[in-house]
Amino acid sequence: NAGVTQTPKFQVLKTGQSMTLQCAQDMNHEYMSWYRQDPGMGLRLIHYSVGAGITDQGEVPNGYNVSRSTTEDFPLRLLSAAPSQTSVYFCASSYLGTGATRTEAFFGQGTRLTVV
Amino acid sequence: RKEVEQDPGPFNVPEGATVAFNCTYSNSASQSFFWYRQDCRKEPKLLMSVYSSGNEDGRFTAQLNRASQYISLLIRDSKLSDSATYLCVVSSGGYNKLIFGAGTRLAVHP
Repeated sequence: NAGVTQTPKFQVLKTGQSMTLQCAQDMNHEYMSWYRQDPGMGLRLIHYSVGAGITDQGEVPNGYNVSRSTTEDFPLRLLSAAPSQTSVYFCASSYLGTGATRTEAFFGQGTRLTVV
Repeated sequence: RKEVEQDPGPFNVPEGATVAFNCTYSNSASQSFFWYRQDCRKEPKLLMSVYSSGNEDGRFTAQLNRASQYISLLIRDSKLSDSATYLCVVSSGGYNKLIFGAGTRLAVHP
């Protein structure tokens, strides 16, 4: 059982380049999300999805696109990389839960992205 | 004001010490509360959920005060292996998104 798999683990981009961070989960979770983590800032929500075909913006969505064509995959696209997007990116998934509750989120191992 | 606030630390304590972390949250409608642990350069992992009545898991005790919008984590008999960053996490908004505090770093020394 692989859990949440993120690729690549490390990436260096030049300013203006585009790329896609991959995220896949094998737990049949409805809810998937992308966070970025910067020193002293904690994890900030970029985009999230509650099922195939449904996505929405989080706290810091600018410069990023997502799509969810299957339950398993939730890729994050950087449209035109900027140095401000240098960060560690985490993908997470969980069941939606019932009512107002949220269940445990499982995280991928992270992608360390540097934009030069 | 951040939605979830924590003392960043670091907390430097000797083995065997008791240490307490505090966290406040701003959304009174939040329903789910957690403490996650993150080791250096690793992904966050769930340490424990936090329930209104308070809950304990071995050396770890979590408390929730809804009236004050305050969450705490108490670690007793600290071990070297407890050294990590502890993240306070609260559900908020549509679909109960998880909002993370910036984390409190704990360093346990011999």
